[in-house]
Amino acid sequence: QKEVEQNSGPLSVPEGAIASLNCTYSDRGSQSFFWYRQYSGKSPELIMSIYSNGDKEDGRFTAQLNKASQYVSLLIRDSQPSDSATYLCAGRNAGGTSYGKLTFGQGTILTVHP
Amino acid sequence: GAVVSQHPSRVICKSGTSVKIECRSLDFQATTMFWYRQFPKQSLMLMATSNEGSKATYEQGVEKDKFLINHASLTLSTLTVTSAHPEDSSFYICSARWLAGTDTQYFGPGTRLTVL
Repeated sequence: QKEVEQNSGPLSVPEGAIASLNCTYSDRGSQSFFWYRQYSGKSPELIMSIYSNGDKEDGRFTAQLNKASQYVSLLIRDSQPSDSATYLCAGRNAGGTSYGKLTFGQGTILTVHP
Repeated sequence: GAVVSQHPSRVICKSGTSVKIECRSLDFQATTMFWYRQFPKQSLMLMATSNEGSKATYEQGVEKDKFLINHASLTLSTLTVTSAHPEDSSFYICSARWLAGTDTQYFGPGTRLTVL
């Protein structure tokens, strides 16, 4: 079982719709979670970080964390074609020897069609 | 803020040569940097964790004698692919942890290595 799993894609939504990306993790020691966006041929770009249970909103993006269910999600409201990319979920263990190492999911490809 | 650069962005070399890739944090100090490799249509694979002033920690299956990592300062880490072969062709990406700031990893733009 992978430590971080993302819902299998690809995910296709129409422009203006809400895109919902989901992620589960198995390591209960994971304390912090991150969503990165990666365009084809480019490196990952940080979108959101979330550390506490509940919702965190930043513009059109909302990250949700439920530590009891070991579940992280990212909602993108009013999806735009420019949001089409691979979205990577990552967890970070607070363990002292990990130096902040991230464990990534396999990524979900999102396509927003006009 | 939190900008990470990589150089070169693209390199093509002959089999058997060595290639050095630089990773710099431009506006923050990074005690820890990470090196990843990504093959087409696959997720990121962590190769090693680099701490300033100490030896790098390599992930299982990554040859430390082939992928030499040096983290000589708080803003610079280098990855040297020694005796490169075609199977080493990949997208190499570094990231830097801004511990004193947001405590988040920021990625460099990546280096595309092609070994002929």
